[in-house]
Amino acid sequence: GAGVSQSPSNKVTEKGKDVELRCDPISGHTALYWYRQRLGQGLEFLIYFQGNSAPDKSGLPSDRFSAERTGESVSTLTIQRTQQEDSAVYLCASSYTSGANVLTFGAGSRLTVL
Amino acid sequence: GDSVTQMEGPVTLSEEAFLTINCTYTATGYPSLFWYVQYPGEGLQLLLKATKADDKGSNKGFEATYRKETTSFHLEKGSVQVSDSAVYFCALPDRGSTLGRLYFGRGTQLTVWP
Repeated sequence: GAGVSQSPSNKVTEKGKDVELRCDPISGHTALYWYRQRLGQGLEFLIYFQGNSAPDKSGLPSDRFSAERTGESVSTLTIQRTQQEDSAVYLCASSYTSGANVLTFGAGSRLTVL
Repeated sequence: GDSVTQMEGPVTLSEEAFLTINCTYTATGYPSLFWYVQYPGEGLQLLLKATKADDKGSNKGFEATYRKETTSFHLEKGSVQVSDSAVYFCALPDRGSTLGRLYFGRGTQLTVWP
């Protein structure tokens, strides 16, 4: 597509439920990144994909968080048993190569856990 | 580790006022430095960058000079417009194993009134 597309744009869920957030990167972009932005804070790196593999998962905050990417395209970030502290905007970005340092971001998925 | 620190916001200006948003960095060596901008309802996008000391990045009337003496990369614009209202993020890259991973500041909300 023309840009990075994320869905849903807004998600409200109850504590303890699982959620899935989707990212559709720019076609041909091999590198894909997930970041999280909590209110009043900077962007926190979560995970990086190069193609279908995830060489760096160091930013995932707990084992409740997981992500996968299929076919060098769509990626899904899954949060199990959501907690209130998971409330944030989850941002996905992609780039043509992992060394480019120029990322194209989606508009984000705002997650609110009640 | 490497990091960036941005001035706290929000910043509110009248149209045609002069803008400065401060950014300082902590890093070994001289990494590339970036300013990203997030307009309302949109994803972050690269505004400008500088790849080495003393470089000046510029775009859309914005400028930032990479100053190694003061480890700074302040964003400036001589005459802001209402359309510049957005959140601005300073960033530098991770020079570890995850190419393309960026460390972001907290962001500075700019509101320009007509």
